[in-house]
Amino acid sequence: DIVMTQTPLSSPVTLGQPASISCRSSQSLVHSDGNTYLSWLQQRPGQPPRVLIYKIYNRFSGVPDRISGSGAGTDFTLKISRVEAEDVGVYYCMQATQFPYTFGQGTKLEIK
Amino acid sequence: EVQLVQSGAEVKKPGESLKISCKVSGYSFTSYWIVWVRQMPGKGLEWMGIIYPGDSNTRYNPSFQGQVTISVDKSISTAYLQWSSLKASDTAMYYCARLGLGETFDYWGQGTLVTVSS
Repeated sequence: DIVMTQTPLSSPVTLGQPASISCRSSQSLVHSDGNTYLSWLQQRPGQPPRVLIYKIYNRFSGVPDRISGSGAGTDFTLKISRVEAEDVGVYYCMQATQFPYTFGQGTKLEIK
Repeated sequence: EVQLVQSGAEVKKPGESLKISCKVSGYSFTSYWIVWVRQMPGKGLEWMGIIYPGDSNTRYNPSFQGQVTISVDKSISTAYLQWSSLKASDTAMYYCARLGLGETFDYWGQGTLVTVSS
């Protein structure tokens, strides 16, 4: 199985300041079709997860442009340029390149 | 509007059987894979398995193979997750989701809380 490792596991951030979460996979996420199926999901308290970013850097519908994804191969990053109160929650990276699909452990974003 | 609506919370005893559902609407049910995801209390997300409603092709996470069964009923656009003999360790929130754009889980159900306790 591909192991997804996120850092940090907890991130206290001041409102209006940037936040960054890293995700490293135990092997390359480049699929044989040339795509890299790395997504980022957000789970707000008491809610189901929702997708923010797919295929490394593509924003899902309705996701603000202050949220961005980057990376390649085995190293990926989610950045929030200016944290807002609505960003509180747990963030997961997820790979769908190889079965079984796997998630990172989650990073809890909280406001200082 | 794409919607995945899951069945309600369940409280069961160890050894009992259970089947929970995920009814979809707003898109062609047979054209997208459906996944099931487990979230144990206070823990992260675990991918359990995936099914293609068009032909019922199913793939399981080896960690869940033999423990659960995933199925669909195309006539009512509904996917299922079932257990034949529940354990206390099956206590969790279970989510269904659609595998869509860019091989990501683009739409999610609201979750079904399963509590197994004697």
